[in-house]
Amino acid sequence: EAGVTQFPSHSVIEKGQTVTLRCDPISGHDNLYWYRRVMGKEIKFLLHFVKESKQDESGMPNNRFLAERTGGTYSTLKVQPAELEDSGVYFCASSHPSGGYNEQFFGPGTRLTVL
Amino acid sequence: QQQVKQSPQSLIVQKGGISIINCAYENTAFDYFPWYQQFPGKGPALLIAIRPDVSEKKEGRFTISFNKSAKQFSLHIMDSQPGDSATYFCAARGWAAGNKLTFGGGTRVLVKP
Repeated sequence: EAGVTQFPSHSVIEKGQTVTLRCDPISGHDNLYWYRRVMGKEIKFLLHFVKESKQDESGMPNNRFLAERTGGTYSTLKVQPAELEDSGVYFCASSHPSGGYNEQFFGPGTRLTVL
Repeated sequence: QQQVKQSPQSLIVQKGGISIINCAYENTAFDYFPWYQQFPGKGPALLIAIRPDVSEKKEGRFTISFNKSAKQFSLHIMDSQPGDSATYFCAARGWAAGNKLTFGGGTRVLVKP
């Protein structure tokens, strides 16, 4: 079974530009999460989808960040316009839809560098 | 405000030694405490997890000790091996908070042969 995949693995952009990150969860996983780790600090929660609906977006830093999950499958996270402080590693995770404490499986992350 | 504090930030241990990583939390609504292991270029992977109704959980060379009254938990890696060299994250999750994970800052462990 394929794991969570993320694209691109690295992205280097200039301040003010737009970047779109993509996440493909494990097939059948209704829950999809985005997290971010900035400058070696803790990994922080950004938002949670259940299928195509945003269940919790309390961690989104500001309105420059837009997450979508088309048809409840893959998800994109767009940053527009990017700022220097957006640099970091963006992780996507997915988990099984059933109740209980289901393990979140993480992708390898996208390293974003804003110059 | 960091809800889960992890220490140390890094540690070096000799092969065969014991690695100990400590975490403390503030939110009493947390009721599930996983540890994740991350190798370079990979995403975090669940290593071992504990619920607060038990004080210890052991899986192979990895043990979690949990102190509910002190709101602290720790990971012990026994007989540390060079292949254990990785970054370790403690985390906490509350059912009422929708399963999102709150992570500690991470500990980079280097096991010297």
